[in-house]
Amino acid sequence: DSGVTQTPKHLITATGQRVTLRCSPRSGDLSVYWYQQSLDQGLQFLIQYYNGEERAKGNILERFSAQQFPDLHSELNLSSLELGDSALYFCASSVDGTGGEKLFFGSGTQLSVL
Amino acid sequence: SQQGEEDPQALSIQEGENATMNCSYKTSINNLQWYRQNSGRGLVHLILIRSNEREKHSGRLRVTLDTSKKSSSLLITASRAADTASYFCATDLYNNNDMRFGAGTRLTVKP
Repeated sequence: DSGVTQTPKHLITATGQRVTLRCSPRSGDLSVYWYQQSLDQGLQFLIQYYNGEERAKGNILERFSAQQFPDLHSELNLSSLELGDSALYFCASSVDGTGGEKLFFGSGTQLSVL
Repeated sequence: SQQGEEDPQALSIQEGENATMNCSYKTSINNLQWYRQNSGRGLVHLILIRSNEREKHSGRLRVTLDTSKKSSSLLITASRAADTASYFCATDLYNNNDMRFGAGTRLTVKP
């Protein structure tokens, strides 16, 4: 058990809908990362937060947004969903989000857009 | 965009053999890490090597780093069926802190 909690584990929805994925980092970790894993794209970095502030941005679509709350949990919002958004979404956490730290991953949210 | 690229994409070996996976990356890095992912599950950290290190060991794992060639290798010795998983390299860039992963090598160890 990594200590990172992601909910829900599975999500099935329709095109055009909006969903929210939630992540609780390990106790004491201030930084949260979001990744998207699909079969043909590997593990894509979306966004990183540190103590409530956005720290780094990857290939995150404009239809996607995220935030980290004062209690350090994070949410990834996906809107106007398309079939191609079907993927496994991972959250990871680390102590302070600087280089040289190992990341602890949650078990992921499997999103299926039908 | 992805930073690292693993090679081969897939590797199948017999139990007891050694498995070598390679990772190449594009820009200067501070650190390189290797992670393991069992099918459909979260990634688990294996080992970290810093840009000023050339080799590191952890149990049956040996990692090398060649910054001049922008490449790293992961060697798993005396492989076991339980080593069957996907292996990813991840880098944090010299001027950035976010971690970028490669597409992974799928390792199958046959009993």
